[in-house]
Formats: sequence, C-alpha cells, structure tokens
Amino acid sequence: EDQVTQSPEALRLQEGESSSLNCSYTVSGLRGLFWYRQDPGKGPEFLFTLYSAGEEKEKERLKATLTKKESFLHITAPKPEDSATYLCAVQAVTQGGSEKLVFGKGTKLTVNP
Amino acid sequence: DSGVTQTPKHLITATGQRVTLRCSPRSGDLSVYWYQQSLDQGLQFLIQYYNGEERAKGNILERFSAQQFPDLHSELNLSSLELGDSALYFCASSETGTGVVEQYFGPGTRLTVT
Repeated sequence: EDQVTQSPEALRLQEGESSSLNCSYTVSGLRGLFWYRQDPGKGPEFLFTLYSAGEEKEKERLKATLTKKESFLHITAPKPEDSATYLCAVQAVTQGGSEKLVFGKGTKLTVNP
Repeated sequence: DSGVTQTPKHLITATGQRVTLRCSPRSGDLSVYWYQQSLDQGLQFLIQYYNGEERAKGNILERFSAQQFPDLHSELNLSSLELGDSALYFCASSETGTGVVEQYFGPGTRLTVT
C-alpha cells in the first residue's frame, strides 16, 4: 500500500535556527513528490514539485531535496511567519491505472521570535 | 489566493441530513479533485473529475457522490450524514488530469454534523 510518513510530527524552532523536515515514502510507481504549506483552517498552498532522485528546488528560506526513498524540506534561518503545517504528498499510480496524491499527516512547525 | 473557490465556508447540519458542497476551479483548469481532512486521518483523496467525467476514485463512501458540470464547477453531495463525517472538505484543481500536475487547493468547507 502506498504510504507517506512525515517526521517529526511537530517541531519548535527559535527564529534563525535552521532545521529539516523529513518525508519518507513507499509507493509502487512514483510520478512526483510535492510539498505544500497549510495554515490553520486554510487550504494547502503549493510549494514544490520534485520529479526524480537528486533533484533540488529552492524558494526563499526553503529548499526541498529528493532521494529514492525520502525527501527533505530544509528551512534556513526561519522566521515566525514560516510557522505552519508542511505537508508532503506523492503522486502514485493506482491499481486501476489512474493517479492520485497520497498525503502524509504533516509536520507542524512553530518558529518563536 | 489560489483562484479556487468553495462554498459555503461553514456548514452545520444534523445526522441523517444531506448537504452539497460547491467548488469552482481556477480559470483554465479542467480537473477537479475532492479531499477530506480530519484531525486523525490527514488529507484523504476522495474523487477526481476531468472535463466532466470521473477520472479517479479514492476512499469515497457510497453515501458520497460528486459531479462536474459543463462550466467545470463541481459539487460534492454528502448524504445520510454521520457524526464522523465532520471534517474539512477541500477542492483542488489542475490544468490537466494526467501526468505530474500541481494541484491548487481552495479554502475548504468546514462541515460539522451534530
């Protein structure tokens, strides 16, 4: 069964304290891996798409990387406005041949000033 | 703002009732997806429509159904509601229905079943 596991479940950082979030996946036919940011009570906001192992994408203080079994979201010198839940999702091919996104449960990041 | 709109924002109803959630995709997007998000389950894919036709099905209950209309807006119908159906329901849209596509999410509808 396709599975996405994110760790840690929650992370508290001081402003400026860099860290990484992990997303490990088990999927039979990976087509792509996505990172989203979700603020409380709002819809997920698209951040990155990664297609193959070795690929990296950057946006402001965020950098996403991908290996064959996991992805990391590195946060450099975070600010309080980076506080949110970060969701990882993989696009997998179902048994019926259709495609779907499988989401992890997310990492809740809190950045204290 | 992703460009995806959902109505209503909040819905409170009683067990056994039926409700309809509405979604308008981003301009130009042909595919619509529905998701359910609860505290313990995370985001669960329910169903996808592409240009009016059902494209993929996830963990959608038989009590739930959806459709996509010619103007590409979509509706999710939930019937015989149970307490456990209380959740956030999100709609997402994408340009195409196949390949590696980014999905853009709406603000969600919070459903409370009492």
